[in-house]
Amino acid sequence: SQQGEEDPQALSIQEGENATMNCSYKTSINNLQWYRQNSGRGLVHLILIRSNEREKHSGRLRVTLDTSKKSSSLLITASRAADTASYFCATRTGNKLTFGGGTRVLVKP
Amino acid sequence: GAVVSQHPSWVICKSGTSVKIECRSLDFQATTMFWYRQFPKQSLMLMATSNEGSKATYEQGVEKDKFLINHASLTLSTLTVTSAHPEDSSFYICSAPLAGGWKDTQYFGPGTRLTVL
Repeated sequence: SQQGEEDPQALSIQEGENATMNCSYKTSINNLQWYRQNSGRGLVHLILIRSNEREKHSGRLRVTLDTSKKSSSLLITASRAADTASYFCATRTGNKLTFGGGTRVLVKP
Repeated sequence: GAVVSQHPSWVICKSGTSVKIECRSLDFQATTMFWYRQFPKQSLMLMATSNEGSKATYEQGVEKDKFLINHASLTLSTLTVTSAHPEDSSFYICSAPLAGGWKDTQYFGPGTRLTVL
C-alpha cells in the first residue's frame, strides 16, 4: 500500500520558475528519498534525507523533512524543460521502500 | 554507478500465456531485489521482495502462484507472470540495494512494459 500522498498531483510551470512539491507519510521512517521518472522509463534517484536531518541540498534540489509533521518537500529551483517528469517520494522502513502517489511536473519552455 | 538491467524492455503476449522478466545487477551483487508494478499514471506498488537462495516475500494481495519469483544467483532475479490476463498489463520495475556501499540507495531497472492481449 502507498505510504502517503503527494501534493500537488500535477504542476505546470514556466522554464526558470521554481517547482515545489510535498509528500506526507504515515509511519516512522529511516529515511526519505526522492526519485524522478521520465515517461515510461525507470526511476532515477535524486536525493536522500535521513530521519535525523532537516534539510539537504543537491545542485538545484532542496529537500526538507519535518518528522513531527511526517512531511517532506522537494524544491527544484530555476527549472528547465528537461526537468519535465514525474517525481516520487519514497520512505524507507526496514528494507522496504514505499512510494507516494507522485507529482507530474511539466516545465514549459 | 551501479546499474540494474531488465529484459525484455517490452513484451506483448496472448492471454493465458506465461511471461518471464529478468532483472540483473550488472556490476554488483544483490542478495535482495524488489519487484514493483506500476499502472499508467500511478505510483509504484511493491509486489515482492526477492531473496537469493530462499523464497520470495510477497506483499499482501499479491498472488505468489501468479507471480513466480526466482532469485537463483547474486546478480539475477526473475519474475514470471503465469497465465497472464489483460489486467496484468502493467509496467514492471525491479530494484536492488547496493550492499556495502550507500546501502540506503536502491538502483532501479529501466522497467518492462507488459501488454496482454
